[in-house]
Amino acid sequence: TQLLEQSPQFLSIQEGENLTVYCNSSSVFSSLQWYRQEPGEGPVLLVTVVTGGEVKKLKRLTFQFGDARKDSSLHITAAQPGDTGLYLCAGARVSNYQLIWGAGTKLIIKP
Amino acid sequence: SQTIHQWPATLVQPVGSPLSLECTVEGTSNPNLYWYRQAAGRGLQLLFYSVGIGQISSEVPQNLSASRPQDRQFILSSKKLLLSDSGFYLCAWSEVGLAAETQYFGPGTRLLVL
Repeated sequence: TQLLEQSPQFLSIQEGENLTVYCNSSSVFSSLQWYRQEPGEGPVLLVTVVTGGEVKKLKRLTFQFGDARKDSSLHITAAQPGDTGLYLCAGARVSNYQLIWGAGTKLIIKP
Repeated sequence: SQTIHQWPATLVQPVGSPLSLECTVEGTSNPNLYWYRQAAGRGLQLLFYSVGIGQISSEVPQNLSASRPQDRQFILSSKKLLLSDSGFYLCAWSEVGLAAETQYFGPGTRLLVL
């Protein structure tokens, strides 16, 4: 079974702090996606990274795909209460209709 | 633009009763369709996926089944619900012809089996 290990599982920090969420695997992915989910709603795509070493920025969020395309990170700078939510990573494999999902990181930003 | 609908939003059912959850997609043709179940605050468990009408792949043995009677309609069913079927059920779609690229999710159905 192919695994995508996501860490930490839970993170509670003060507003203004920085944080990083990691997703790691022993397998290579054709792309990796990050989603954010609020309670009672479906996940919403934040970004897709495709190229090894790729870095994408979305305001205060920075996403990086590992050089070998086996891992990815999400870094949030100066976290705000509006960043609170469940963050999910998912890896895609070529010619496969399934995404491999991380277990999620529940993030709480305290004002 | 594409939209995905799920209903009902919330459902409370007794153990042993049947289940039918419906998902429809608008604005695209022949999408790949997916049913997931999610425990509170956790990741997604893939239940079924479909790459075309009448084509269903099951990932987890259980008392649930799925059907795709029309191109953009995906139904999750059970003949007799178990307590363990409680959870948050999500439907998703992705573009046809690609590998598992971006998936777009519906609003979900929260099922409580009592």
